[in-house]
Amino acid sequence: DIQMTQSPSSVSASVGDRVTITCRASQDIGTWLAWYQQKPGKGPNLLIYTASGLQSGVPSRFRGSGSGTDFTLTITSLQPEDFATYFCHQSDSFPYTFGQGTKVDIK
Amino acid sequence: QITLKESGPTLVKPTETLTLTCTFSGLSTSDSAAGVGWIRQPPGQALEWLALIYWDDDKRYSPSLESRLTITKDTSENQVVLTMRDMDPVDTATYYCAHRRTGLRDFDYWGQGTLVTVSS
Repeated sequence: DIQMTQSPSSVSASVGDRVTITCRASQDIGTWLAWYQQKPGKGPNLLIYTASGLQSGVPSRFRGSGSGTDFTLTITSLQPEDFATYFCHQSDSFPYTFGQGTKVDIK
Repeated sequence: QITLKESGPTLVKPTETLTLTCTFSGLSTSDSAAGVGWIRQPPGQALEWLALIYWDDDKRYSPSLESRLTITKDTSENQVVLTMRDMDPVDTATYYCAHRRTGLRDFDYWGQGTLVTVSS
């Protein structure tokens, strides 16, 4: 199985801050990497597909980058509605796997 | 508008079989490279992919759970069903179904999830 290692596990930030979350795959996954946002009691919401594609309806402050084994999700200017947990997900090969999640909370 | 909704028991006993139904609307079922997957999330933990069924009826399972899982679909009823046998307390989790879209391989629409507790 491909292991997805996400860091940090949590980050405290203020509105307007730039937040960066990283995800490392245990082997080359090309750009088969998606990012999801999850709020308490809700299902995940797709933000980024194929490493850098912005899902329709998602604000442009969310940016994805990377390829191979190293990927980054950047929130360029954190907004109040962005406090949530973020997961990466590889779909290069089965079994699909997810990162452990990064919780973004208010400083 | 695309929606998915999970339904099933909220409480099952150890060793019992869990049957969950995902009822969807607004999805095209004509694309053989698209389908519906099941993903679960134990309380406070990460997401775990369980199974995927394509609209052409091809199926994929998590190897660690494959012996216990069966995924089927009834496109005439707009439903995908997951059965998990021999339930254990460690299977306590919120179970989600999600649409796997063609080409991009991600899950672009998710249900709200259903919490299943395994306890005697």
